[in-house]
Amino acid sequence: AQSVTQLGSHVSVSEGALVLLRCNYSSSVPPYLFWYVQYPNQGLQLLLKYTSAATLVKGINGFEAEFKKSETSFHLTKPSAHMSDAAEYFCAVSRPGGSYIPTFGRGTSLIVHP
Amino acid sequence: KAGVTQTPRYLIKTRGQQVTLSCSPISGHRSVSWYQQTPGQGLQFLFEYFSETQRNKGNFPGRFSGRQFSNSRSEMNVSTLELGDSALYLCASSFPIPQEEQFFGPGTRLTVL
Repeated sequence: AQSVTQLGSHVSVSEGALVLLRCNYSSSVPPYLFWYVQYPNQGLQLLLKYTSAATLVKGINGFEAEFKKSETSFHLTKPSAHMSDAAEYFCAVSRPGGSYIPTFGRGTSLIVHP
Repeated sequence: KAGVTQTPRYLIKTRGQQVTLSCSPISGHRSVSWYQQTPGQGLQFLFEYFSETQRNKGNFPGRFSGRQFSNSRSEMNVSTLELGDSALYLCASSFPIPQEEQFFGPGTRLTVL
């Protein structure tokens, strides 16, 4: 079984401040991990993914995430928030082999203040 | 490459009616998954189709059904609509398996009155 917990349904930051969105996972096997972003009235777009290569993963729009096995975490960060980063962010966990469907977290809404 | 397209984008139905939503995956993608997104429940997996066969199924009642055609296009159907079926329905395509990366369409916003 696999599951994802995103801490904080809403995160508020000022423009230019560090963005930190938290994701903890549970998986019985080495996982695949993803962060997706959803802008209003749009579908989800992949930001970055971890599939057992480098533990520090760089994605689009300046985001990155670090896989920490000992903490079962995959937190998403960005050094400096921009107004255009305001969106809903979803963490997801999957696993290699077979045809497993990813499990998504409940999402974190990022609010960016000017 | 064109992205995943979903039609219609918006639908308003009344209780008891049925509805059909359509999804065209990215060219070459053979796996199509459907999700229901609501503010209270987040993204919930409905089902996944691969090569015209349902390969995975979520925990939804039988009123929710789907199919996939030989060109990988997929449809989902909801019969006897309930108020609680109001949601954003998202389609995602993958090549060839969902667990590596999914490409999402913009969704169909269904409102049941």
